[in-house]
Amino acid sequence: AQSVTQLDSQVPVFEEAPVELRCNYSSSVSVYLFWYVQYPNQGLQLLLKYLSGSTLVKGINGFEAEFNKSQTSFHLRKPSVHISDTAEYFCATPGAFQKLVFGTGTRLLVSP
Amino acid sequence: NAGVTQTPKFRVLKTGQSMTLLCAQDMNHEYMYWYRQDPGMGLRLIHYSVGEGTTAKGEVPDGYNVSRLKKQNFLLGLESAAPSQTSVYFCATTTSGAFRYFGPGTRLTVT
Repeated sequence: AQSVTQLDSQVPVFEEAPVELRCNYSSSVSVYLFWYVQYPNQGLQLLLKYLSGSTLVKGINGFEAEFNKSQTSFHLRKPSVHISDTAEYFCATPGAFQKLVFGTGTRLLVSP
Repeated sequence: NAGVTQTPKFRVLKTGQSMTLLCAQDMNHEYMYWYRQDPGMGLRLIHYSVGEGTTAKGEVPDGYNVSRLKKQNFLLGLESAAPSQTSVYFCATTTSGAFRYFGPGTRLTVT
């Protein structure tokens, strides 16, 4: 079964610094991967998705992710974070019947 | 076009009480899902439906029942609430491929 692993439960970073949130997926024939963001007390918002094609995927709010087949990774990056990026970030992949399987989440804490 | 709505937004139950959460969508999507979100555990699938009249168990189905009598509605029931069911519940829908639509969530506390 498809699965994703987020090894970092929390990532503290200073404002304007770069950040990388890690996601590794279980290998499969075809891979779709997603990153979602959840701001405090809100629902989930799609940041970006990888379906096929270019391995560098650009999303909203200046985030991007790179699909790396050899390392089975789909890490999320932003070159310069803002206080407003403080949120929880989830990596996800679909399984059978389009069921989304989520990682356990990474809390990004941006401080001034 | 309201997308995906969830009713209620908040609820406090006492142990042993029952309740039903409603997920409604106006996009004619076939697939609907109920997730629960708990700190440090991400979102876990409770039950899902691949079409009107169908339901199936997800990862954590115990203590919950569901029904999909109408295509646009997916009901999640708790027959006898327990404190372990304190959580935030999200409904999601999709038709295929990449796009999934999430409801705003229901925050449930069981005392």
